[in-house]
Amino acid sequence: KAGVTQTPRYLIKTRGQQVTLSCSPISGHRSVSWYQQTPGQGLQFLFEYFSETQRNKGNFPGRFSGRQFSNSRSEMNVSTLELGDSALYLCASSLGGPNSPLHFGNGTRLTVT
Amino acid sequence: GQQLNQSPQSMFIQEGEDVSMNCTSSSIFNTWLWYKQDPGEGPVLLIALYKAGELTSNGRLTAQFGITRKDSFLNISASIPSDVGIYFCAGTIQGAQKLVFGQGTRLTINP
Repeated sequence: KAGVTQTPRYLIKTRGQQVTLSCSPISGHRSVSWYQQTPGQGLQFLFEYFSETQRNKGNFPGRFSGRQFSNSRSEMNVSTLELGDSALYLCASSLGGPNSPLHFGNGTRLTVT
Repeated sequence: GQQLNQSPQSMFIQEGEDVSMNCTSSSIFNTWLWYKQDPGEGPVLLIALYKAGELTSNGRLTAQFGITRKDSFLNISASIPSDVGIYFCAGTIQGAQKLVFGQGTRLTINP
């Protein structure tokens, strides 16, 4: 069974640009969650999508948005990039039940210059 | 903000030693999960715990869900070089569905 796939693995953008990251969940998983990982803040929850609907949201500004498609694949978008957005962005999928464990991809390393 | 206190932040041990790390919170958790992250990769699930008092093993790893539902520990027995990495505890708070993470424990094994 293929794991969670994230593309691209690395991205370099400049301030003010926007970026879109992609995530393909494990087959059969309907929930996709996004996390931002930085050395200072650790793993911070961005949002979760289930059946194409945002089900949970973290405390990030509106510049961070996402969506989920009918095949459960998800994209995350960050607009008007800031230097502080440089981070490892991790996607995780699960079956979507209350105790379903998350399975993570290898992340997209975003560098904003 | 962060609601899980994970300790220690780092550990330096000799190969073959046992390791113990833990997480505590002021909130009640419904689940406790332990992940390991290697450089350049995403966290990999090691053990999932769902009931207070539950003790679960995965090879040389053993984890327990605290009776108060506010803490969990992870033990690694007879450490080997491939155990090096960052270990994260995570859990879902009662009434919420998002996963909250600890700050991680960086394990280094001295040759």
